Amino acid sequence: DIVMTQSPDSLAVSLGERATINCKSSQSVLYSSNNKNYLAWYQQKPGQPPKLLIYWASTRESGVPDRFSGSGSETDFTLTISSLQAEDVAVYYCQQYYNTPYSFGQGTKLEIK
Amino acid sequence: QVQLVQSGAEVKKPGASVKVSCKASGYTFTSYAMHWVRQAPGQRLEWMGWINSDNGNTKDSQKFQGRVTISRDTSASTAYMELSSLRSEDTAVYYCARDGACSSTSCSFDLWGQGTLVTVSS
Repeated sequence: DIVMTQSPDSLAVSLGERATINCKSSQSVLYSSNNKNYLAWYQQKPGQPPKLLIYWASTRESGVPDRFSGSGSETDFTLTISSLQAEDVAVYYCQQYYNTPYSFGQGTKLEIK
Repeated sequence: QVQLVQSGAEVKKPGASVKVSCKASGYTFTSYAMHWVRQAPGQRLEWMGWINSDNGNTKDSQKFQGRVTISRDTSASTAYMELSSLRSEDTAVYYCARDGACSSTSCSFDLWGQGTLVTVSS
């Protein structure tokens, strides 16, 4: 099974500043036949279901603000929020959908400093 | 609008079974696979299994050792997840989530139900 590990577990960033969350997979999630990384990022606010932000490691879901961006390949990935807004306070999860059982990171709690 | 609406909270005794429903609306149900994910208190999201909403084929996580049964009723645009032999560790919020169908193999989960809290307690 693929294990997803995020860092840090929690992060406090000032409004308007950059937030960076890392995700590492225990094996590559790059599918060679289509050169796509099967990696997604989700945002979860208290009492709500997760919301898809990024898929294919770097493709922003429709309607997601462009301050959210994803990067990385194979086993190392990053979610960046370029200018933190108050509404971005949430827990963020990475997920691999390369093979089953699909797995999630432990989550990174993002707060305002 | 496009949405997934799940059934309400359940309280079950250890050893019992629970069946959670997930009704889809606003899109063609059979065009998208459906996943089930759970989140125990303070724990990470955990994938349980999925169903091809068109042909009914399923795959579930071996972690549940055959306790999970995923099904669907295409006439009702509804997917179901049944978990048997419940134990206290199964206390969690259970979500259905639509597969985004962005590739021929698998995709991220682009639409989620609101969640169903299942509490297992004697």
